[in-house]
Amino acid sequence: DAGITQSPRYKITETGRQVTLMCHQTWSHSYMFWYRQDLGHGLRLIYYSAAADITDKGEVPDGYVVSRSKTENFPLTLESATRSQTSVYFCASSESAGQASGNTIYFGEGSWLTVV
Amino acid sequence: GESVGLHLPTLSVQEGDNSIINCAYSNSASDYFIWYKQESGKGPQFIIDIRSNMDKRQGQRVTVLLNKTVKHLSLQIAATQPGDSAVYFCAETGGATNKLIFGTGTLLAVQP
Repeated sequence: DAGITQSPRYKITETGRQVTLMCHQTWSHSYMFWYRQDLGHGLRLIYYSAAADITDKGEVPDGYVVSRSKTENFPLTLESATRSQTSVYFCASSESAGQASGNTIYFGEGSWLTVV
Repeated sequence: GESVGLHLPTLSVQEGDNSIINCAYSNSASDYFIWYKQESGKGPQFIIDIRSNMDKRQGQRVTVLLNKTVKHLSLQIAATQPGDSAVYFCAETGGATNKLIFGTGTLLAVQP
């Protein structure tokens, strides 16, 4: 069945290391998103992409890099991980911009990242 | 307004009762709203949505009410079941941005 998958699901890394979280969707959705979820802040948008080779910053982009060379993949890279980046990361995809057509955003299962 | 404290607002209800979860949204230009359910260890799951030209929308056992005057959204769950226990988020979008803005969430705890 089609879906959105994230990997790894769980990762422990050291401060200063580079980490890449992978996201793959099989719906051919144009839009993809990366959120981080922390208690007291809900879900905050890190980066999003409207199509292949088009990316834009969200609310909290500092310390993160994204790319979208293929429609189905949207990797998120922490170039030099810090303890404040310990969080749960959710990838999501949508057929189009949320308010334009009413399409909802579908989320992956999450990637739990701990930076020690 | 939204809670930004370190503790998640919690609603505790008895099985079979109706639940009402509230959300205050921030942007008066928002024109599309979504409720998500998030179970422990999983990603948010779509429940129901509503556009700003409506004030009520019903789904299966769920109803969303929108009051644009006071920028308030609520989710009503009828005959709450143990499987409804989860964190519920409202999200808004519209205006100059196509990005969803999420509230901090409410934990619904259903007592058997």
